[in-house]
Amino acid sequence: KNEVEQSPQNLTAQEGEFITINCSYSVGISALHWLQQHPGGGIVSLFMLSSGKKKHGRLIATINIQEKHSSLHITASHPRDSAVYICAVPGNQFYFGTGTSLTVIP
Amino acid sequence: DAGITQSPRHKVTETGTPVTLRCHQTENHRYMYWYRQDPGHGLRLIHYSYGVKDTDKGEVSDGYSVSRSKTEDFLLTLESATSSQTSVYFCAIGHNNYGYTFGSGTRLTVV
Repeated sequence: KNEVEQSPQNLTAQEGEFITINCSYSVGISALHWLQQHPGGGIVSLFMLSSGKKKHGRLIATINIQEKHSSLHITASHPRDSAVYICAVPGNQFYFGTGTSLTVIP
Repeated sequence: DAGITQSPRHKVTETGTPVTLRCHQTENHRYMYWYRQDPGHGLRLIHYSYGVKDTDKGEVSDGYSVSRSKTEDFLLTLESATSSQTSVYFCAIGHNNYGYTFGSGTRLTVV
């Protein structure tokens, strides 16, 4: 049983495309986290949100608490956005999705 | 940066040998965590600590032990490494309510 499900698992896009990554969760939460991991790199936190929408540059994260669903959008995608994006929710511990591997082609 | 470092960054070891990974933080955080990351799996919790000498098991703790004798250091030991423990190991500090800061990871290969 996975408390956090992400889709798609893999995503390839052309530079400039609008990208959406989805996350569904089954546990009750106070906040949801989006993380980014570049190839061979560490993991950094992008967003923590508990309602509505947050925006940071070209990245937008939304959450619908009633539907237990969150989306991460990337506008005007760029090759440097190529990374694994991970959704995580706190419960008794932190539950992580398996990640969405994004490749943006020039 | 966040003040959390892992060592070593890479290690190759032989089956049956003991291995210790170190996580060092300068943030004076109470909570520290060890995760492993494998293809097809999300990050999985091995052990965590909620204070000096206070530790508890995560979901994949078999074959691993930890120690925390100082606030700043959290050690992960593989008593007798097996090939199934080949993985990338991440240390993190933080709290469920506020999010984590991760170390850069240790890539461990058991041959």
